[in-house]
Amino acid sequence: TQLLEQSPQFLSIQEGENLTVYCNSSSVFSSLQWYRQEPGEGPVLLVTVVTGGEVKKLKRLTFQFGDARKDSSLHITAAQPGDTGLYLCAGATGGYNKLIFGAGTRLAVHP
Amino acid sequence: NAGVMQNPRHLVRRRGQEARLRCSPMKGHSHVYWYRQLPEEGLKFMVYLQKENIIDESGMPKERFSAEFPKEGPSILRIQQVVRGDSAAYFCASSPEWNEQFFGPGTRLTVL
Repeated sequence: TQLLEQSPQFLSIQEGENLTVYCNSSSVFSSLQWYRQEPGEGPVLLVTVVTGGEVKKLKRLTFQFGDARKDSSLHITAAQPGDTGLYLCAGATGGYNKLIFGAGTRLAVHP
Repeated sequence: NAGVMQNPRHLVRRRGQEARLRCSPMKGHSHVYWYRQLPEEGLKFMVYLQKENIIDESGMPKERFSAEFPKEGPSILRIQQVVRGDSAAYFCASSPEWNEQFFGPGTRLTVL
């Protein structure tokens, strides 16, 4: 069974701090996607990383895919209260690209 | 371009009734995936469909659950004789090919 371990599970920080969320697996994924989910809503796609070692930036968010395509990280610089939410990583697997989700990191950024 | 649409957003059923969840993919998307999110758990893959075909149903319970994606109309996830353990948020996602998946807002099923 393929698993994605996401850490930390909860993160409570002050506005302006930096943070990193990790997503690790023993399995290789063809791609990895990061989503953000608000209460009562569906996951919203933030980024897809495909190539081992790939780094993508989205404003203050930096996403990295491990060289072996087994792990990924999300780094947020100077967090703001608007970053508060549930962050999910999901690895694409199998010939049909079905997603294996991590359990999520619940981030709270306090003013 | 409208996003993935799901209805109803909330559905309440009594034990033993049937639940029908609908998903309209984004325009131009021919791949539909269904996922279930149990309370305090992560999303779990259920089934992957293309038009008129079930491609992978390895994550779907063998009994009471079925899915379809007809040539015309939305994809339907059907749960017969619902039980309390079926209470969850059900999400569908669509993609144009085997790449990025875009999720709908979900249907929250409550079984009384």
